Amino acid sequence: DSGVTQTPKHLITATGQRVTLRCSPRSGDLSVYWYQQSLDQGLQFLIQYYNGEERAKGNILERFSAQQFPDLHSELNLSSLELGDSALYFCASSVVGTGIADTQYFGPGTRLTVL
Amino acid sequence: SQQGEEDPQALSIQEGENATMNCSYKTSINNLQWYRQNSGRGLVHLILIRSNEREKHSGRLRVTLDTSKKSSSLLITASRAADTASYFCATAGGSNYKLTFGKGTLLTVNP
Repeated sequence: DSGVTQTPKHLITATGQRVTLRCSPRSGDLSVYWYQQSLDQGLQFLIQYYNGEERAKGNILERFSAQQFPDLHSELNLSSLELGDSALYFCASSVVGTGIADTQYFGPGTRLTVL
Repeated sequence: SQQGEEDPQALSIQEGENATMNCSYKTSINNLQWYRQNSGRGLVHLILIRSNEREKHSGRLRVTLDTSKKSSSLLITASRAADTASYFCATAGGSNYKLTFGKGTLLTVNP
């Protein structure tokens, strides 16, 4: 158990819908990262937050957005869902996320299925 | 886009044998990390090696890093059936802290 929690574990929804994925980092970790894992694209970095502020952006679609709240939990919002958005979405956290990258601890993931 | 490329894509060995997986990357890095993923589950961090380190050990794991060749290897000694999983290398570099993952090596350890 990494100490990172994600809810829900599974999500099944229809095209065009909007969903919210939630992540609670390990106690004391200030950085939260979101990754998408799909069969064709592999593991892709989406976005990073550090202490409430966006720190880095990766291959995140404009239909996707995220935020980190004062209690450091984070939410990833996916809207206008398409079939191709079906994937495993992972959240990771690390102690700092500034300076040289440190170890990231991954949550169990949310499996999103878009029908 | 993938930074790391693991080799081989799949590896099947018998229990007790050693397993070696390789990772090559393209740009300069601050550190390289190896993760394990059991089928459809979360990633488990195995080991981190910094760019100024050449070798690191953790239990049955041995990681080497050759920055001149932009490559790393992960050796699992005396493998067990429970080691069956996908193994990913991930690089971190530059001023951002995202991890860039390779496509992984699927290791199967047969009892």
